[in-house]
Amino acid sequence: GAGVSQSPRYKVAKRGQDVALRCDPISGHVSLFWYQQALGQGPEFLTYFQNEAQLDKSGLPSDRFFAERPEGSVSTLKIQRTQQEDSAVYLCASSLRSYPDYGYTFGSGTRLTVV
Amino acid sequence: GESVGLHLPTLSVQEGDNSIINCAYSNSASDYFIWYKQESGKGPQFIIDIRSNMDKRQGQRVTVLLNKTVKHLSLQIAATQPGDSAVYFCAAAPPYNQGGKLIFGQGTELSVKP
Repeated sequence: GAGVSQSPRYKVAKRGQDVALRCDPISGHVSLFWYQQALGQGPEFLTYFQNEAQLDKSGLPSDRFFAERPEGSVSTLKIQRTQQEDSAVYLCASSLRSYPDYGYTFGSGTRLTVV
Repeated sequence: GESVGLHLPTLSVQEGDNSIINCAYSNSASDYFIWYKQESGKGPQFIIDIRSNMDKRQGQRVTVLLNKTVKHLSLQIAATQPGDSAVYFCAAAPPYNQGGKLIFGQGTELSVKP
């Protein structure tokens, strides 16, 4: 497709469950970003990949959060032992170059609700 | 830490009027800024960007102004339409050698009254 695709669109998890969120970036895009957006807030950076290399994971809130992009295309954000404060929209974005000269293209996000 | 903030969380304008959304940033070394529009249930959509070596950039019905002296930028939307109703975010990019992340503000919700 032409855009960034994220799945699932909605996920409800019981507290303590593990979840995996998928991102299909635009084909050929080098950079891939994950952001977390709490209700009524701006997106907050989680992690950044350039191809398969995770160059920045400074925004991951705890060691329960893990992201990978093994072949430099599809990426998965995994959250272990989910907690209520993990409830948010998780946005994926991709960019053609390694610096956002053209701005990111965001996906529509995965809304995670932890109950 | 670095922050980006908006002056008003909500803005209501009459259809056809001009809208101005303001934003302040803290890191004087930031050299690239982007405005995004986010509609309900969607991801942020790129509107316009500006580099720190410019003070004004125009697009279709939108203008971004950058004042580096006071670390302030604004988004002006001309002849605001109902389809412009959304949340608007400004974002600042750290200098190139600090990675590719963006620092987003809190957002301003723009409502356009017909």
